[in-house]
This record gives sequence, C-alpha cells and structure tokens, in this order.
Amino acid sequence: DGGITQSPKYLFRKEGQNVTLSCEQNLNHDAMYWYRQDPGQGLRLIYYSQIVNDFQKGDIAEGYSVSREKKESFPLTVTSAQKNPTAFYLCASSMGGANYGYTFGSGTRLTVV
Amino acid sequence: KQEVTQIPAALSVPEGENLVLNCSFTDSAIYNLQWFRQDPGKGLTSLLLIQSSQREQTSGRLNASLDKSSGRSTLYIAASQPGDSATYLCAVYGWASGTYKYIFGTGTRLKVLA
Repeated sequence: DGGITQSPKYLFRKEGQNVTLSCEQNLNHDAMYWYRQDPGQGLRLIYYSQIVNDFQKGDIAEGYSVSREKKESFPLTVTSAQKNPTAFYLCASSMGGANYGYTFGSGTRLTVV
Repeated sequence: KQEVTQIPAALSVPEGENLVLNCSFTDSAIYNLQWFRQDPGKGLTSLLLIQSSQREQTSGRLNASLDKSSGRSTLYIAASQPGDSATYLCAVYGWASGTYKYIFGTGTRLKVLA
C-alpha cells in the first residue's frame, strides 16, 4: 500500500545535538512538507519542497534544515540552533497544486533530555 | 492574514448522537478545505476534501459542507460511535506568506461516550 513512513516514532535529543527525522513516501507525490505541532496550536509549516533538489522555508524554519535529493525522501534535521525543539513533527506529501489534499505520516515525537 | 478557528475546542456527547463540528476562516479566497482526524499521538488522517467550487462532500457517516462567502465549514457526523473519539482538524488552502499552503485550525477534541 502507498503511504508515508516517518521514523523514528520517538526521538530523544541531548542539548547541543543535531538529530535527523526521516520521511519517505511511495505515493509518487511531487511535493513534500514538514510541520511542527505543539499543544494548543495549529500545525506550523517548517519547510516544503515542490520538486527534487529544491525546497523553501516555511513559517518557522530557523534551527531546521532539509534536503530533497530523491523524490521519495525529505529528511528534516533539527539543529542545535533550535532552542525549543520538543514537539510532534509531521511530514506530509501531495501531488502539488490546489486540487489535491495532503497525506500525512504518523509523526515523530522529539524530546530534549 | 488567514486565520482558522474551530469552536468548541472540546466536545463530549453520548453515543448515537448526530453532531456538528464547526470551522470558520477569515479570508474567503481559498482553493479547497480539508477535514482531518487525529488520534492521540498519531498523524493526521484525511476525511474529506472540498474544492472551492463544491458545496459539500460525503463519506459514509460524514458530511462536510463549505460556504466560502461566509467563511464557514461544518463537519456533520451521523450516529456517533465511541470509535469516532479523536481530534478533528480543518485546514484551508490558499495564498499565505508568499506561497500556496494549508492553514490549520487548532482542532475540536471529540469524546463519544458509550
């Protein structure tokens, strides 16, 4: 079955560490997105990519980095510059454009220890 | 600036009730609206996608309506079941902050009591 796989499900980061969250899709979708979800807030867009080898900053990109070397993969690195990284991170994909909705992965919960 | 509001933030109903969840948005220039379900600690599952030219969409016991001019959408759940307990989020797709993207509401947390 087609879908989006996020790993790991839980991730713990020490102060000063960089960590990478994985997102893989086999839906043949062109566009991929990373969102952050905090309690009581709507999802906020971190980065998005509409095509391979191209990506754009979203609303809260500071302290994060991404790459899009393959259509299927859009990993997110949470760097030590992100001062408040504890959150639930969601990856999504779409065919792109206004006629298609988003498909989400199951999320990664990142906790700073 | 597009803002999406979902009221109430939480709702408890007895099993079997028909219920309506509300979503309002401030800018009517949207291309589509999507309703999602989120179970605790899980990702979002798409329920219904309504294009701006449509008035409603139906899937099983779910019916979503869209009134762009008034900036409102409702999600109607018929004959609610305990398995419907989850957080329901709506999101509107339009131009914001230099790109086309979804703006999400904060959700309505639904609990259906057996």
